[in-house]
Amino acid sequence: LAKTTQPISMDSYEGQEVNITCSHNNIATNDYITWYQQFPSQGPRFIIQGYKTKVTNEVASLFIPADRKSSTLSLPRVSLSDTAVYYCLERSRGSYIPTFGRGTSLIVHP
Amino acid sequence: GAGVSQTPSNKVTEKGKYVELRCDPISGHTALYWYRQSLGQGPEFLIYFQGTGAADDSGLPNDRFFAVRPEGSVSTLKIQRTERGDSAVYLCASSSRAQQDTQYFGPGTRLTVL
Repeated sequence: LAKTTQPISMDSYEGQEVNITCSHNNIATNDYITWYQQFPSQGPRFIIQGYKTKVTNEVASLFIPADRKSSTLSLPRVSLSDTAVYYCLERSRGSYIPTFGRGTSLIVHP
Repeated sequence: GAGVSQTPSNKVTEKGKYVELRCDPISGHTALYWYRQSLGQGPEFLIYFQGTGAADDSGLPNDRFFAVRPEGSVSTLKIQRTERGDSAVYLCASSSRAQQDTQYFGPGTRLTVL
C-alpha cells in the first residue's frame, strides 16, 4: 500500500507555476522522496528525488521541509505537454522497488 | 540509445488461455522490474530481477504468474489460465547497477482478457 497522500487531481493553465503537495506522515528516517511523471499510454518517468531541503533540476524543483512530513513538487510555467499523472513515493535506502499510489492527475488548460 | 521496449503493445486473449509478455531492457541494465497497472491506479510491483535471478517476487499475485530472465537481459512474464481480472497494462522497467534508484519504464503491454 502507498504510504503517501496527494490530491487526486489538479487543474492549471499554461504559463502558471504548479505546486503539488504530498503528505509523508509516516516517512522513515532512511526514506528518500521521489516523484515520477506518467503520460497517457506511457510508463512512468523519474522526475526528481530528494531527502530534505530543496532540489532543482531541469524539469522541476522539490521542496522538503525540515520535518519531512510533506514534499512539494514545483513545475515552473507549465505547458499543455505537462498534462500527466504525478506520483510521489517514499523509497527506502537500499530498496529499489518504488510503491506507487494513485498519483495526482494534472490537467493544463490553454 | 534505445529505451525499454515491450512486445506486444496490445494483447487480447480469452479467459483460460496462456500468455507471454516480453520485455527488452536498456542494454547493460542489470536490474529489471515488472509492474501491473489498472485503470486509474498507480503501477503495482510484481517482480524484480537482478541479473538472471528473481531477487524479489513478492508482488506476484498467485502461482499463475511467472517470470524468467534466462540470460540476464530479455525477460518474459508468463500468465497461465488467464482471468478477466488479469486485464491491465503490464509495465517493465530497468535500471543500471550504478543508478539502481532510477528506473526507466517501457510503454507497457495492454492485456485484455475476454
